[in-house]
Amino acid sequence: TQLLEQSPQFLSIQEGENLTVYCNSSSVFSSLQWYRQEPGEGPVLLVTVVTGGEVKKLKRLTFQFGDARKDSSLHITAAQPGDTGLYLCAGENPGTYKYIFGTGTRLKVLA
Amino acid sequence: GAGVSQTPSNKVTEKGKYVELRCDPISGHTALYWYRQSLGQGPEFLIYFQGTGAADDSGLPNDRFFAVRPEGSVSTLKIQRTERGDSAVYLCASSTNPLGTNEQFFGPGTRLTVL
Repeated sequence: TQLLEQSPQFLSIQEGENLTVYCNSSSVFSSLQWYRQEPGEGPVLLVTVVTGGEVKKLKRLTFQFGDARKDSSLHITAAQPGDTGLYLCAGENPGTYKYIFGTGTRLKVLA
Repeated sequence: GAGVSQTPSNKVTEKGKYVELRCDPISGHTALYWYRQSLGQGPEFLIYFQGTGAADDSGLPNDRFFAVRPEGSVSTLKIQRTERGDSAVYLCASSTNPLGTNEQFFGPGTRLTVL
């Protein structure tokens, strides 16, 4: 069974701080996506990474896919209260269209 | 344009009852996914449709769960003889093309509570 473990599970920080969220697996994925989900809503896609070692930036968010395509990280610089939410990684199972979601990281940024 | 919609938004039922959850995908999206999300967890894959056919139903937990998409658009997830452990938020997502890097657009979910 493929599993995607995220750490930390919970994170509460002050506005302006930096943070990194990790997504780890023993399995290889064709691609990996990061989503953010707010209460009462479905997840919204932030980014997709495909190539091992790939780095993508989205404003203050930096995403990296591990060289072996088994892990990924999300780094947020100068966090803002609007960044508060549940962050989810999702790996695409090779040869299928099936996505395995991570366990989630709940982030709270205090003003 | 309209996003993915799901009805009802909330469903409370009694143990042993039958329920149907509906998903209206974005018009023109050929791929449709159902997920189940328990409190504090990430979504768990249930089933994937490409057009009218279920291309992968390996995530359905048992034969009490069934899903259809008869005309390749709206999908219904059906749960028979509901159990308390079925309580969760059921999410639907659609996408234009399952090949390659595939953005899934999620609905707001149906919160199912089995008493």
